[in-house]
Amino acid sequence: GAGVSQSPSNKVTEKGKDVELRCDPISGHTALYWYRQSLGQGLEFLIYFQGNSAPDKSGLPSDRFSAERTGGSVSTLTIQRTQQEDSAVYLCASSFRGGGTGAYEQYFGPGTRLTVT
Amino acid sequence: AQTVTQSQPEMSVQEAETVTLSCTYDTSESDYYLFWYKQPPSRQMILVIRQEAYKQQNATENRFSVNFQKAAKSFSLKISDSQLGDAAMYFCAYRSAFTNAGKSTFGDGTTLTVKP
Repeated sequence: GAGVSQSPSNKVTEKGKDVELRCDPISGHTALYWYRQSLGQGLEFLIYFQGNSAPDKSGLPSDRFSAERTGGSVSTLTIQRTQQEDSAVYLCASSFRGGGTGAYEQYFGPGTRLTVT
Repeated sequence: AQTVTQSQPEMSVQEAETVTLSCTYDTSESDYYLFWYKQPPSRQMILVIRQEAYKQQNATENRFSVNFQKAAKSFSLKISDSQLGDAAMYFCAYRSAFTNAGKSTFGDGTTLTVKP
């Protein structure tokens, strides 16, 4: 079956503009995650969706960042009034289920490279 | 909050040789999961190996094995018979088994170079 897909693969935007990044998780996966990876760095957690539960937004760096997940499937990460420090690769992942027991793995998409000029 | 530390930003190994990547973590929890992910230049993260903290036996997956030392909070990855395709960035990750957060905490990664 298809893996996690993300679009666009690359996005260049001007400072101050809004951007939307899209993630299509693996069908049947109830959990969806967004991470940010700055150049040569590790993954920084942004937000996590699990089924119909309220999302864990504890990693969002500012109120310019928001995300939604429609119908328990596709997710959109929105960055308003982009800043140069927002430049990074944004990775989406999904897993069969979310928290609790089970060493289930996260399946990652190829990421969206965002460049803010 | 949990933290994951990878103290080796870069490592290199000769093809066919063995290399060990280090990972330590800090947690007050007794039950959790540990993972090693590989990220090649294509950016596609893939799972290499996983370990449940309640299991004493070290996980193995073909040429990949871990040395899990729970008391020392250490989780190193050993790659045997290294191949050119193993060249990538490797991330160690921690996930709690208790909370409903589900999120994983990642280390900063180790870039592995394989020399022919």
